[in-house]
Parts: sequence; structure tokens; C-alpha cells
Amino acid sequence: GAVVSQHPSWVICKSGTSVKIECRSLDFQATTMFWYRQFPKQSLMLMATSNEGSKATYEQGVEKDKFLINHASLTLSTLTVTSAHPEDSSFYICSARLTVNSPLHFGNGTRLTVT
Amino acid sequence: AQTVTQSQPEMSVQEAETVTLSCTYDTSESDYYLFWYKQPPSRQMILVIRQEAYKQQNATENRFSVNFQKAAKSFSLKISDSQLGDAAMYFCAPFVQGAQKLVFGQGTRLTINP
Repeated sequence: GAVVSQHPSWVICKSGTSVKIECRSLDFQATTMFWYRQFPKQSLMLMATSNEGSKATYEQGVEKDKFLINHASLTLSTLTVTSAHPEDSSFYICSARLTVNSPLHFGNGTRLTVT
Repeated sequence: AQTVTQSQPEMSVQEAETVTLSCTYDTSESDYYLFWYKQPPSRQMILVIRQEAYKQQNATENRFSVNFQKAAKSFSLKISDSQLGDAAMYFCAPFVQGAQKLVFGQGTRLTINP
């Protein structure tokens, strides 16, 4: 149980375009989802916390207008990278939990390359 | 704010031997959980073990166990009978209930030598 699906696993886009990444909890309802970013050989950095039906809470230094997060249902959160630039190229990972006391379960990640 | 320190960027161990990965953290709150996650080359984050801060007994999951020293804010992971499949990046991560976020350490790359 506790499977989190992330799509796409790999995407290449041109500079200036927008890319949407989906994160789904397949067998549980996730009241909270988290979005992380990971640069090569580095740790995961929390970008934002997404609660169903409310606005996301962004970490300091993360541009909320650039990284749009929507959590419209208990099983789906999306991250849209708007007007992507090469420096946005990274590995993006979502995670979800069932309750406040549950461990986080992670998606497989999305490798974004902006050319 | 939470801070997490994993002082060993890389570790290696012979297959079938035991290795310990260290982690220290800092939080002013009393209600938190501690996790170890592994990230193999596939980059999938896999939960290894979890410890509730209010529990004195160290958590154990098969070959994986922790040494939780709350006063010292230390949370080390011991892997017994190391297997080739244990090779991965290991991240220590506290989850503070008040902050409601999981913060990761810098990671330790574990290599298993056959």
C-alpha cells in the first residue's frame, strides 16, 4: 500500500514554456503533499507544502509565481513550472502522507531538462 | 528551525559486515519523528526506518536498527549483514510536528564491497 505515482518521469522542454508535473496517491487519500527539488549529488530541498483545498505554503526563496502548485483533490497535486529556464533543470520529487503521524511516501521523481 | 548533519559524505563496507551511519539534528521542539530514507541509483526514495522521539526503545527493522540518543540529538543507523542491494544514498530526516515538514540531511553515499 501507500503508492505515490508521479508523471512524467522525464520531460524535456524549451526555454520559456511551461511544464506540469502530476503527483497522485493511488491507494490512499493524501491531505498533504510535499514537493522537493534535488540537484545532482545533493540532498532533497523542500519547495512547498500542499494541502488539499488550500493554497500551498512555499519555502523561503521559492518563487510561488514560477512554481505553481495545485492540490485540487485528496489524490492529486500538480506542480507547474512556468516560463521554464535552463536553471530550472532538476529532479523534482513529490511525496504524500495519509495522516499527520504517517511517514511520507515518495513518487519516482521527474527529471526536467530545459533547453 | 530544523538542522540536520550527516558528517559522513561517503562510507564503504564489505558485504556481510556491519556499518553505522551517523546523523545529528537540532530542534527546539519535543514532538517529532526521525526517519532514515535510502535513495538507490533509481532515485526512488525508500523508507528504511522510523523512530518516534517519545519512545526510548530504539527502532529495529530486520537488519536495520537505530541508536537514538535524544539528549545528544543523535540518530545513527546501523546496517547489519550488509548486502549489495544496500548500496545507496542514505538520508536522515527529522519531521517536527509543529513545523510539519520533513527536512533532509546532506546524505551519506554507502558502497558495499563484494
